[in-house]
Amino acid sequence: DGGITQSPKYLFRKEGQNVTLSCEQNLNHDAMYWYRQDPGQGLRLIYYSQIVNDFQKGDIAEGYSVSREKKESFPLTVTSAQKNPTAFYLCASNPLAGGLDEQFFGPGTRLTVL
Amino acid sequence: GQNIDQPTEMTATEGAIVQINCTYQTSGFNGLFWYQQHAGEAPTFLSYNVLDGLEEKGRFSSFLSRSKGYSYLLLKELQMKDSASYLCAVMDSNYQLIWGAGTKLIIKP
Repeated sequence: DGGITQSPKYLFRKEGQNVTLSCEQNLNHDAMYWYRQDPGQGLRLIYYSQIVNDFQKGDIAEGYSVSREKKESFPLTVTSAQKNPTAFYLCASNPLAGGLDEQFFGPGTRLTVL
Repeated sequence: GQNIDQPTEMTATEGAIVQINCTYQTSGFNGLFWYQQHAGEAPTFLSYNVLDGLEEKGRFSSFLSRSKGYSYLLLKELQMKDSASYLCAVMDSNYQLIWGAGTKLIIKP
């Protein structure tokens, strides 16, 4: 079955700790995205990548970092510099960078910082 | 700035019809998407409109008027499983999606 996996589903961390969220896809999609979802707000783009070894900042990149060493994988690190990291994080992909296709989403990771 | 507006919450009755509106102001337009999202789950794609008019897909239809910056999602023969949030998103001139905050639809028996 093709799809996007994110792990873990729920994650708890202490304030001041960095944490890495996993995102893997086996859809052979070029483009991958990380979004943050907070109650009452639309999805906000953190980072996106259109090709391996390249990525761009989205609207709210501060306090986050990413890598794209493999086409299938796009991990997101939430650093201690992110002031309000508790949120629902969604990873998405679509076949072609800049294409008009819909984005496919992973199941999400709910991060709670204590 | 870029802006997508949708009602925060709507309530409808099982078996009825509901229309969820979305208005937008964006830098360029490369199409409008509707997604469904059940609580705590991933959004799933419902429809894509790039030309004016109505697109029908089973119980769901989506309409677009580019001149008015307006779209709606029409859900017919509502079922309890349709209780979810419905997200409107516009692809701007940079091919990035701008998302509305979503409309929470509550279906009552």
